[in-house]
Amino acid sequence: EDKVVQSPLSLVVHEGDTVTLNCSYEVTNFRSLLWYKQEKKAPTFLFMLTSSGIEKKSGRLSSILDKKELSSILNITATQTGDSAIYLCAVLTSGGSNYKLTFGKGTLLTVNP
Amino acid sequence: GAVVSQHPSRVICKSGTSVKIECRSLDFQATTMFWYRQFPKQSLMLMATSNEGSKATYEQGVEKDKFLINHASLTLSTLTVTSAHPEDSSFYICSAQPGPDRGGGLHFGNGTRLTVT
Repeated sequence: EDKVVQSPLSLVVHEGDTVTLNCSYEVTNFRSLLWYKQEKKAPTFLFMLTSSGIEKKSGRLSSILDKKELSSILNITATQTGDSAIYLCAVLTSGGSNYKLTFGKGTLLTVNP
Repeated sequence: GAVVSQHPSRVICKSGTSVKIECRSLDFQATTMFWYRQFPKQSLMLMATSNEGSKATYEQGVEKDKFLINHASLTLSTLTVTSAHPEDSSFYICSAQPGPDRGGGLHFGNGTRLTVT
């Protein structure tokens, strides 16, 4: 059974802090790891990571995949109250021509002013 | 960017009726679409993977006969909740993946809030 584990499950920080969110996985036929930010409605795509060791960056957010450790981290620097959300990690796997996505339980990030 | 349209956004139905939810990829073809269910303050739960032209793959514990999935074309997948009951009330979301030439990733519809009375 494919598993994706995120930690911590929840985190409360002050504006300006830097946070690191973790995602580890145990899956068969790994294709890529994806990070999403979910506020009120549907998740917003942040990053897709396929290759190990290559950092992807978007503004104050960055992420990197470690295929040896079967994990990924999502960093947010200089946090703002608008960063408060659930951050979801998901792993895409494939079997033949079919794809499957397994989500972690998410990290609830609260950024206080 | 890639756009996924989900319809309706909200639906209220009576117990025992069926409800159909549509998921369309507007500007790309998607051979695979995913259907999820979300409970309040929890992560998304993958219900099934919808493959164009073949039967959907359901996750363990998801009733195939209750949640009918049809992926008849490369841009449309539908989820039908049959004989709905109040416990089926939830937020249902679909997603689809464009090809690598569109940057990859998964793109989500805005979800459907189903309320069964």
